[in-house]
Amino acid sequence: AQSVTQPDIHITVSEGASLELRCNYSYGATPYLFWYVQSPGQGLQLLLKYFSGDTLVQGIKGFEAEFKRSQSSFNLRKPSVHWSDAAEYFCAVGPFSGGYNKLIFGAGTRLAVHP
Amino acid sequence: EAGVAQSPRYKIIEKRQSVAFWCNPISGHATLYWYQQILGQGPKLLIQFQNNGVVDDSQLPKDRFSAERLKGVDSTLKIQPAKLEDSAVYLCASSLKGGDTQYFGPGTRLTVL
Repeated sequence: AQSVTQPDIHITVSEGASLELRCNYSYGATPYLFWYVQSPGQGLQLLLKYFSGDTLVQGIKGFEAEFKRSQSSFNLRKPSVHWSDAAEYFCAVGPFSGGYNKLIFGAGTRLAVHP
Repeated sequence: EAGVAQSPRYKIIEKRQSVAFWCNPISGHATLYWYQQILGQGPKLLIQFQNNGVVDDSQLPKDRFSAERLKGVDSTLKIQPAKLEDSAVYLCASSLKGGDTQYFGPGTRLTVL
């Protein structure tokens, strides 16, 4: 069955430090992969997505993610975190088939940023 | 471009009462999704519409939940009767067509007492 695992429930980093959020997936074919961010009281905003091609994907707000098929991973990175990055981050996998698009989300990683 | 609109933003009801949520997708988006996000979990798809037809409702508790998208634009999700475990944020999302990037609304936070 398809699943997404985000091993870290909470992460705290200092402002200016680098960040890596982990995501592992289980899926029978090449997945479509997404990272969304959710600020308190807000809906989910798409940071970046991977469909095919270059395995290093650039997103908004200075984020990037790398698809590693051999490790079934799609980790999110940012070289220098800003206080405004404090939020909850969700990794998702989308088994697309003929217009059928059921996103399966991980449980999320809550990021806190120390000044 | 206006985003996905949802109302109300917050709702508190007692168990066994009924409640309805409304969603207006991005203009021109044919596909509409309802997700349930329980505290501490990722969103879970409840139902997907393509225009006014249901594509997937396999995880919708049909004994108490219903949803419709009569004119292929806005949609209503109803719970009747509500249970304590229905306390969650209900997110609506839309995409240009099935398989495209989904854009999410702000959600409705439901508390069942």
